[in-house]
Amino acid sequence: DQQVKQNSPSLSVQEGRISILNCDYTNSMFDYFLWYKKYPAEGPTFLISISSIKDKNEDGRFTVFLNKSAKHLSLHIVPSQPGDSAVYFCASQGGSEKLVFGKGTKLTVNP
Amino acid sequence: KAGVTQTPRYLIKTRGQQVTLSCSPISGHRSVSWYQQTPGQGLQFLFEYFSETQRNKGNFPGRFSGRQFSNSRSEMNVSTLELGDSALYLCASSLEGGEGQPQHFGDGTRLSIL
Repeated sequence: DQQVKQNSPSLSVQEGRISILNCDYTNSMFDYFLWYKKYPAEGPTFLISISSIKDKNEDGRFTVFLNKSAKHLSLHIVPSQPGDSAVYFCASQGGSEKLVFGKGTKLTVNP
Repeated sequence: KAGVTQTPRYLIKTRGQQVTLSCSPISGHRSVSWYQQTPGQGLQFLFEYFSETQRNKGNFPGRFSGRQFSNSRSEMNVSTLELGDSALYLCASSLEGGEGQPQHFGDGTRLSIL
């Protein structure tokens, strides 16, 4: 039973345009959500997070939106840069340290 | 500030052997979690340690165990290795653990079972 789903295995965008990565979850107990970026041969790097009491959190070029009624969150990257090319993981927490991850979306930003 | 350090980076073992992986958290971080990443299952939680005590455990067999030392460094042990244990093992640390604190990951140990 996959509690966190990233339905798009890959996404390709042009440099300077917006990248939108999506994530759905099924567990209503989740109340903290995170996005990580992963380059090959490196561990995941924390990008941005959002608590369930908010619907938006912004940090520079990165914005995360949370729609609790739809159990959906998205990560917007504006403007996209070639260095953003990586695998992006959505993760959720609910009452403990344990992170439940989606299977990732590979973002390619073309120059 | 030094990040999370995992050793070794690569390891090759044969079936039936055991292995110990090491993780040094970010200075001041007291919570250490371990994850297994495989192509088919993605990133899966193994266990979390805080103040030398296992606080959370994922759905892995008893062959997977760990411990944490008084300096917050952690080790993970896998006994009676199976081919399916081939994976990237990631360690993550956070200040106090619990919800709402981002975990910071090391670069992992790539374990290959022959």
